[in-house]
Amino acid sequence: GENVEQHPSTLSVQEGDSAVIKCTYSDSASNYFPWYKQELGKGPQLIIDIRSNVGEKKDQRIAVTLNKTAKHFSLHITETQPEDSAVYFCAATNDNYGQNFVFGPGTRLSVLP
Amino acid sequence: KAGVTQTPRYLIKTRGQQVTLSCSPISGHRSVSWYQQTPGQGLQFLFEYFSETQRNKGNFPGRFSGRQFSNSRSEMNVSTLELGDSALYLCASRRLLSVNEQFFGPGTRLTVL
Repeated sequence: GENVEQHPSTLSVQEGDSAVIKCTYSDSASNYFPWYKQELGKGPQLIIDIRSNVGEKKDQRIAVTLNKTAKHFSLHITETQPEDSAVYFCAATNDNYGQNFVFGPGTRLSVLP
Repeated sequence: KAGVTQTPRYLIKTRGQQVTLSCSPISGHRSVSWYQQTPGQGLQFLFEYFSETQRNKGNFPGRFSGRQFSNSRSEMNVSTLELGDSALYLCASRRLLSVNEQFFGPGTRLTVL
């Protein structure tokens, strides 16, 4: 089955700097890769996703890149702000019916003012 | 549009008891998935329901069960509670099995004493 690894487990950056979180997956059949942000006391919130037919996707300060050959994808946050502080999860799945999402262990991002 | 709602938000039970958690998906969403989130194991998939049928199941014992109603609302039940069942139980909905975008509720925090 699918296995998703995520690094680093914790990340501290100064406000205004960039943050990068990396995930690797094992199943080459996976073709959908979402990123979730979880704030304290809340459920995970979908912030960006990418499909395997795209190499990069950007939404304002957030971008995701995908390398299918190496089976890894990364979340990039530019111009970080204190409100970006949260736990970030990556996940992988494919379009086949009955395939569940497999999540990475999470990265706790702290943006220091 | 209202998001995914879960009730209750907090529960305290004792070992051996059983518990039922409820999830109402986003209007128009027909798929409901359940996840267990713990500090040690992260986000783990429990099961997914679509059109009142369980479509996929994670690696959890038979004490964990669920069902989905004709209005897409879902319940999960845990019988004979163990201390290790203490966790945040998250529900997520998506419109169809073929649509990957998945949205989470705030979760139910279960504490087993």
